[in-house]
Amino acid sequence: NAGVMQNPRHLVRRRGQEARLRCSPMKGHSHVYWYRQLPEEGLKFMVYLQKENIIDESGMPKERFSAEFPKEGPSILRIQQVVRGDSAAYFCASSPGTMTSYNEQFFGPGTRLTVL
Amino acid sequence: AQSVTQLGSHVSVSEGALVLLRCNYSSSVPPYLFWYVQYPNQGLQLLLKYTSAATLVKGINGFEAEFKKSETSFHLTKPSAHMSDAAEYFCAVRVYGGSQGNLIFGKGTKLSVKP
Repeated sequence: NAGVMQNPRHLVRRRGQEARLRCSPMKGHSHVYWYRQLPEEGLKFMVYLQKENIIDESGMPKERFSAEFPKEGPSILRIQQVVRGDSAAYFCASSPGTMTSYNEQFFGPGTRLTVL
Repeated sequence: AQSVTQLGSHVSVSEGALVLLRCNYSSSVPPYLFWYVQYPNQGLQLLLKYTSAATLVKGINGFEAEFKKSETSFHLTKPSAHMSDAAEYFCAVRVYGGSQGNLIFGKGTKLSVKP
């Protein structure tokens, strides 16, 4: 059973370009979470999605950032017009659902974004 | 609002010594608590979780943690450190109920193990 897949693992962009980060949850998981990890910091929640729905985007910057989890295909975190401050590791996690609140979140290996 | 504080950003122990990583939480409702480990350039792996079933929780790789409500603590311990334990450890609390499902993480503690 494959774990959470993220690609690319490393992404380099110049300022002003767009970054697209992909996340395929574990098989059978319908909940996806995106977190950002800045150097020397813990992970910060960004957005929580279910298929075709954004459940909680309270951690998303108001501009340039968007996320989706379509009916078919991976979840996408999109950053438009990247700036140097967007350089970070972006982690995706998935869980089977919140019927049991203590469901574990399974993390992917992360995408390390570098903005030049 | 929930929060997590990890005391000590760096902890160094000798191989074979006790490992103690501290975590204190703040929550107005019974929390769900987790410890994750992150090896360099990798994602997070769950070590153990507290879900109110038992206050002493055993996890993988010989780690365990004890939930102490009176101290609002969930410290991670291992009786004897191994070189392979060198990594960064994160304590996290799960937002309880409603439509929220995200984890709130501490800033992490980097564990070094000296030979």
